[in-house]
Amino acid sequence: DTAVSQTPKYLVTQMGNDKSIKCEQNLGHDTMYWYKQDSKKFLKIMFSYNNKELIINETVPNRFSPKSPDKAHLNLHINSLELGDSAVYFCASRSEPNNSPLHFGNGTRLTVT
Amino acid sequence: GENVEQHPSTLSVQEGDSAVIKCTYSDSASNYFPWYKQELGKRPQLIIDIRSNVGEKKDQRIAVTLNKTAKHFSLHITETQPEDSAVYFCAASGYSTLTFGKGTMLLVSP
Repeated sequence: DTAVSQTPKYLVTQMGNDKSIKCEQNLGHDTMYWYKQDSKKFLKIMFSYNNKELIINETVPNRFSPKSPDKAHLNLHINSLELGDSAVYFCASRSEPNNSPLHFGNGTRLTVT
Repeated sequence: GENVEQHPSTLSVQEGDSAVIKCTYSDSASNYFPWYKQELGKRPQLIIDIRSNVGEKKDQRIAVTLNKTAKHFSLHITETQPEDSAVYFCAASGYSTLTFGKGTMLLVSP
């Protein structure tokens, strides 16, 4: 009964490929996020969706396209993968916009070779 | 947007000592300040949080203080144990996003 679950846990692929990461939360939260954690451990916001609508899109290449079919799901599709995309991607959710904790998924370690 | 600075980047202490990690934020509208602990290969997990209407909060060996005027907040861990070794992140929440500091790697030696 994991609260925020993302798949796959590991993803190894070659440059130029297209891949997707899926995320689902069963907490009833309205807001979902994608964060990227690079090799230096820095957690950087990529996207935020509230009730299926995009509310934050940081400076992320348009090769990254989030999709939210409903408020419990936020998937991340990445086109034309590059070496610099290698990182751990965390999905997260929270119940209100600004004063409640984030609940993180277990992360997807993406390695681009 | 919000900018969160966190210091130090690494902190080594002996078991039983106290550890203090400090953060500053830039957006005076931020009103929620959580702290996360991330063990190697795992997800960040909330350990304590504080809202802007409170100056201090304590939970067993962990405490957080907030100075809204100076826009800084700190994490205090007393009687550190080897299992406290991890990366700790502070964060500040503005309108709709949580902005993280760059993390502090805490190493507690037995």
